[in-house]
Amino acid sequence: DAGITQSPRHKVTETGTPVTLRCHQTENHRYMYWYRQDPGHGLRLIHYSYGVKDTDKGEVSDGYSVSRSKTEDFLLTLESATSSQTSVYFCAISESSPKSGGAGKTQYFGPGTRLLVL
Amino acid sequence: DQQVKQNSPSLSVQEGRISILNCDYTNSMFDYFLWYKKYPAEGPTFLISISSIKDKNEDGRFTVFLNKSAKHLSLHIVPSQPGDSAVYFCAASANFGNEKLTFGTGTRLTIIP
Repeated sequence: DAGITQSPRHKVTETGTPVTLRCHQTENHRYMYWYRQDPGHGLRLIHYSYGVKDTDKGEVSDGYSVSRSKTEDFLLTLESATSSQTSVYFCAISESSPKSGGAGKTQYFGPGTRLLVL
Repeated sequence: DQQVKQNSPSLSVQEGRISILNCDYTNSMFDYFLWYKKYPAEGPTFLISISSIKDKNEDGRFTVFLNKSAKHLSLHIVPSQPGDSAVYFCAASANFGNEKLTFGTGTRLTIIP
């Protein structure tokens, strides 16, 4: 358990409205990530953060912005939601894992937020 | 451009037998590979990983094999149990996990009692 919570867990919204999803972690991890999961695509990285106020884009960042004003919180904002952003969103942190076969960092995921944009 | 591929969308295995899930990658910079298990309505759970300095890593019933020359890895589950029914994702990273993860599209494993 990497101490990751996401809120809300479920949300229904209308096209054109802003939406903010929150990821909260309790263990002071430096790296945090936002992914979306869609059928046929696996998990795709939206944005990530490598420290407070330090963020960068992933492979599907269009239409999304992020903010990290403190270590424990990483916010994902859809400025104007579209139906194509209907998805399940996962937050993750990374840390070294004793189960890795050699050196390596592992990402651990939160429970997810299911977002429906009508 | 799918850099990590799981070509089998689904797999059914009898309880007690071996489950073998496969994953191929194209990016030669990848040096760290992970397997995740995902149940419906939950986040992916880390299972096991392997770095390119090894060709095998074992943890209980789970073993991951890496064939660098073929750019192929596989996850073996022995013996398979009903609780293993889930979607399994393969993921890869460069710089020993310090770079971003690239995921495959997943394989749905069903264990038949």
